[in-house]
Amino acid sequence: DIQMTQSPSTLSASVGDRVTITCRASQSISTWLAWYQQKPGTAPKLLIYKASSLQSGVPSRFSGSGSGTEFTLTISSLQPADFATYYCQQYNTYPWTFGQGTKVEIK
Amino acid sequence: QVQLVQSGAEVRKPGASVKVSCKASGYTFTRYAVHWVRQAPGQRLEWMGWINAGNGDTKYSQKFQGRVTITRDTSATTVYMELNSLRSEDTAVFYCARPQSVLNGMDVWGQGTTVTVSS
Repeated sequence: DIQMTQSPSTLSASVGDRVTITCRASQSISTWLAWYQQKPGTAPKLLIYKASSLQSGVPSRFSGSGSGTEFTLTISSLQPADFATYYCQQYNTYPWTFGQGTKVEIK
Repeated sequence: QVQLVQSGAEVRKPGASVKVSCKASGYTFTRYAVHWVRQAPGQRLEWMGWINAGNGDTKYSQKFQGRVTITRDTSATTVYMELNSLRSEDTAVFYCARPQSVLNGMDVWGQGTTVTVSS
């Protein structure tokens, strides 16, 4: 199985900060990577697909980049609604696998 | 609007089975796959398998192979996930989710169904 590793596991930031989360795959997944946001008690929400494509309706402050084994999710200016846990997910190879999550907390 | 609505919370004893439903609406049911994802308390999301709602083909994660069965009822536009031989480690929230296409991530999710396994 392809292992997905995110860093950091927890991130403390303030409103207005630029935030970057990294996701590494144990083998190349081309650009078959998605990012999700999850808030407590709710289902994940798709933010980015194919590494850098913004899902319809998602604010433009979210962006994704990378290919192969290293990927990043950037939030250009953190807003109160963005405090949540973020997961990367590869869909290059079955079984699809997720990172362990990055919790973005209020500093 | 496009939505997936799951059945309610379940409590089972170890060794029992559970069957969770996921009713689709707002789109042509047979044109899309439906996936199932598990999330144990405090754990990462875990992909279980998927079904082609059109022809019924399925694929499962090796981790759940032999214990999970995903089926669909096209007349009811509903997908089902049955997990057998439950153990306490299966206590989790189970989600169904639908990708826009094979190129995209999963853009539509059910609300989740909590399954508690306890003696």
